[in-house]
Amino acid sequence: DGGITQSPKYLFRKEGQNVTLSCEQNLNHDAMYWYRQDPGQGLRLIYYSQIVNDFQKGDIAEGYSVSREKKESFPLTVTSAQKNPTAFYLCASSLENTDTQYFGPGTRLTVL
Amino acid sequence: EDQVTQSPEALRLQEGESSSLNCSYTVSGLRGLFWYRQDPGKGPEFLFTLYSAGEEKEKERLKATLTKKESFLHITAPKPEDSATYLCAVQPSGYSTLTFGKGTMLLVSP
Repeated sequence: DGGITQSPKYLFRKEGQNVTLSCEQNLNHDAMYWYRQDPGQGLRLIYYSQIVNDFQKGDIAEGYSVSREKKESFPLTVTSAQKNPTAFYLCASSLENTDTQYFGPGTRLTVL
Repeated sequence: EDQVTQSPEALRLQEGESSSLNCSYTVSGLRGLFWYRQDPGKGPEFLFTLYSAGEEKEKERLKATLTKKESFLHITAPKPEDSATYLCAVQPSGYSTLTFGKGTMLLVSP
């Protein structure tokens, strides 16, 4: 089955720790995206990548980092510099950068 | 700055009671307007893309329409399984990113 997978589904982090969220797609999509969703808020773009080895900051990139070493993978690291990391994180991909974005199931991160 | 406003924030319907959700947008040039459905704790599921004013698309009990200022998601004779949050997003011309509204939470009671 083609699709987008995110792992883990739930993640707990202590303050001061970095954590990495996984996003993998087997759709052969070129572009990948990371969003953050908070209660009562729209999805906000963290980072996006239109091609391997290249990525751009979104609206709320501070405290986050990404890499795009393979077309299929776009991991997101939430660093200790992110002041309020507790949120629902969503990964998406699209065939080209202006095509419809399809979303993964999400990772819920909680800082203890 | 691109803006997307969805209304109402929440809507409660009886099964079979048709209604519409609104998505008003401000964008310098619209490449596409997207509708998604999101169930609690899950990722958004793609429903429709609309590209130009006057365009309409349908899927089962849902029909999306587009004008130059807003889009409507019409729900005809809804069922309880239509209960979800419906998200609207716009993509400006020449850009790959989306700007999302906050969503409308729909609850359909039997």
